Amino acid sequence: DTTVKQNPRYKLARVGKPVNLICSQTMNHDTMYWYQKKPNQAPKLLLFYYDKILNREADTFEKFQSSRPNNSFCSLYIGSAGLEYSAMYLCASSRDVQPTGQLYFGEGSKLTVL
Amino acid sequence: AEKVIQVWSTASRQEGEELTLDCSYETSQVLYHLFWYKHLLSGEMVFLIRQTSSSTAKERSGRYSVVFQKSLKSISLIISALQPDDSGKYFCALWELAEDRGSALGRLHFGAGTQLIVIP
Repeated sequence: DTTVKQNPRYKLARVGKPVNLICSQTMNHDTMYWYQKKPNQAPKLLLFYYDKILNREADTFEKFQSSRPNNSFCSLYIGSAGLEYSAMYLCASSRDVQPTGQLYFGEGSKLTVL
Repeated sequence: AEKVIQVWSTASRQEGEELTLDCSYETSQVLYHLFWYKHLLSGEMVFLIRQTSSSTAKERSGRYSVVFQKSLKSISLIISALQPDDSGKYFCALWELAEDRGSALGRLHFGAGTQLIVIP
């Protein structure tokens, strides 16, 4: 099974409320990534886990949190959603931190903040 | 500054034609990888083809091939014999190592994508 699964596929949230998005893969991949994709923009890397080590991008450092309780699961947490968080969130995994292969992406979680 | 640039935001062709999608990138690394992905309506990003900076081989995968001009920091995706199902958004991506708090970690940077419409 080479799929990456994301839940929920669609999420509606109120401004100021928390949001938790879940990603799972059963390929025993070392690295899991979260990207934010807005219409007509490039997917933006938010953070990634290499094994148990979390790496957050400098410009999104305080806006997103994540946890990886085991190799298969990775969550993306927004403590207080703002309108600007409305986007598609893409989870991906790769075999190691140097992708000689490719990243495997999930179908995405579409977040709408009202 | 953007690391990956896809100049054309949209493109359209007739079924059966061939299409070239252009991508330029910026990196100071010697070793890096370039990818082309297709973004499906379902949301999934599907891997199409990869080019490693150290390789001189002309990469090909089915109807997909690339033209890699390393000195120009350019990589083009060629899709032959276009089919209506090829319609979608195509993203070019650059993977490179970056120093971060004492460790070298890889990151994948995407371009803004090119929307392809194949007319039956």
